[in-house]
Amino acid sequence: DSGVTQTPKHLITATGQRVTLRCSPRSGDLSVYWYQQSLDQGLQFLIQYYNGEERAKGNILERFSAQQFPDLHSELNLSSLELGDSALYFCASSWGVSSGANVLTFGAGSRLTVL
Amino acid sequence: GQQLNQSPQSMFIQEGEDVSMNCTSSSIFNTWLWYKQDPGEGPVLLIALYKAGELTSNGRLTAQFGITRKDSFLNISASIPSDVGIYFCAGSYSGNTPLVFGKGTRLSVIA
Repeated sequence: DSGVTQTPKHLITATGQRVTLRCSPRSGDLSVYWYQQSLDQGLQFLIQYYNGEERAKGNILERFSAQQFPDLHSELNLSSLELGDSALYFCASSWGVSSGANVLTFGAGSRLTVL
Repeated sequence: GQQLNQSPQSMFIQEGEDVSMNCTSSSIFNTWLWYKQDPGEGPVLLIALYKAGELTSNGRLTAQFGITRKDSFLNISASIPSDVGIYFCAGSYSGNTPLVFGKGTRLSVIA
């Protein structure tokens, strides 16, 4: 157990729907990162939050949004889902504000299947 | 977005063999990390490198931060079945830039 908790573990939904993925960071970590892993792709950085504020944005689609709450848990909202959104979504956390200077601890991921 | 070039994409080796994989970047990095992902799990950190030329070991694993700062290598000696998984390199230019990941090397070990 890495200490980073992600729910749900699996999610199956239809195109056009909206889902919310949830992440609780490791105790003491202030930064939360979201990554997408598609088949045969590496980990694509989506977005980072530090202590409730957005810190960095990667290849995140406009249909996707995220936020970090005062208790530091984070949610990733995916809307108007398309077949191509099917992927593993990972949350990671670190103590500091910079992923480059801090080691990331990953959760077990949420597997999203869009039918 | 920026991505690292990781090779090989996959490897099939006999138990007991040594393994080498590498990662290259067109940009200079100040941090190199190596992660392993087991099936159904998230990536787990194996080794972190912070200085050009640095050579660091973690059991049977050894990783090096290339002196050009544009590459890194991971070696696994005397492979065992539990080494099976996907190995990812990751790098960062500065503390303020997000970590960039390679596409991974999928390792299969034949007993």
